[in-house]
Amino acid sequence: KAGVTQTPRYLIKTRGQQVTLSCSPISGHRSVSWYQQTPGQGLQFLFEYFSETQRNKGNFPGRFSGRQFSNSRSEMNVSTLELGDSALYLCASSSSKQGANNSPLHFGNGTRLTVT
Amino acid sequence: DQQVKQNSPSLSVQEGRISILNCDYTNSMFDYFLWYKKYPAEGPTFLISISSIKDKNEDGRFTVFLNKSAKHLSLHIVPSQPGDSAVYFCAAKYYGGSQGNLIFGKGTKLSVKP
Repeated sequence: KAGVTQTPRYLIKTRGQQVTLSCSPISGHRSVSWYQQTPGQGLQFLFEYFSETQRNKGNFPGRFSGRQFSNSRSEMNVSTLELGDSALYLCASSSSKQGANNSPLHFGNGTRLTVT
Repeated sequence: DQQVKQNSPSLSVQEGRISILNCDYTNSMFDYFLWYKKYPAEGPTFLISISSIKDKNEDGRFTVFLNKSAKHLSLHIVPSQPGDSAVYFCAAKYYGGSQGNLIFGKGTKLSVKP
């Protein structure tokens, strides 16, 4: 099985711009989550989608948004970019439903976003 | 307030010896714990997990121990190999929560010296 695929791998944007990142989960996985990794804060949960619905959201401002399509592929968008948004954005997928048998998240290699 | 803490930012071990990575948590509502390994420029890779109803889980060279009363878990790697050099993250899931919403520690960088 192919793993979680994220595009692009690297992005450089200017403050005030917006950006869209893409993620294709492992085939058959319906849950997709997004995380932000920064040196100071570690991995922080952004949001999770399951069957095209956002079912959990982390403590991030409304400039961060996402969506999931019927084929489980997901995108996240960051509007009005700030310097502090520079980070590695990781997408992960899982096969399990909420509260059901535990199964691990599988991560992609991330998109490195640099805001100048 | 950090709910999952990895108090050692780094650990250095000789090849062939045991590596012990530690993780403490504060929330008794966590019911599932995971360890991930991360190489530079790659995403985290799942290593091993443990449910809160168990106190030990083993997979090859990797063993995770859970001490619920102390709210502490540890990852043992025996024997350690140079290829194990990476950053290790522990993570936890809330009881009844979704698989996608994990709380991560800030990681421990393991260096295994030949």
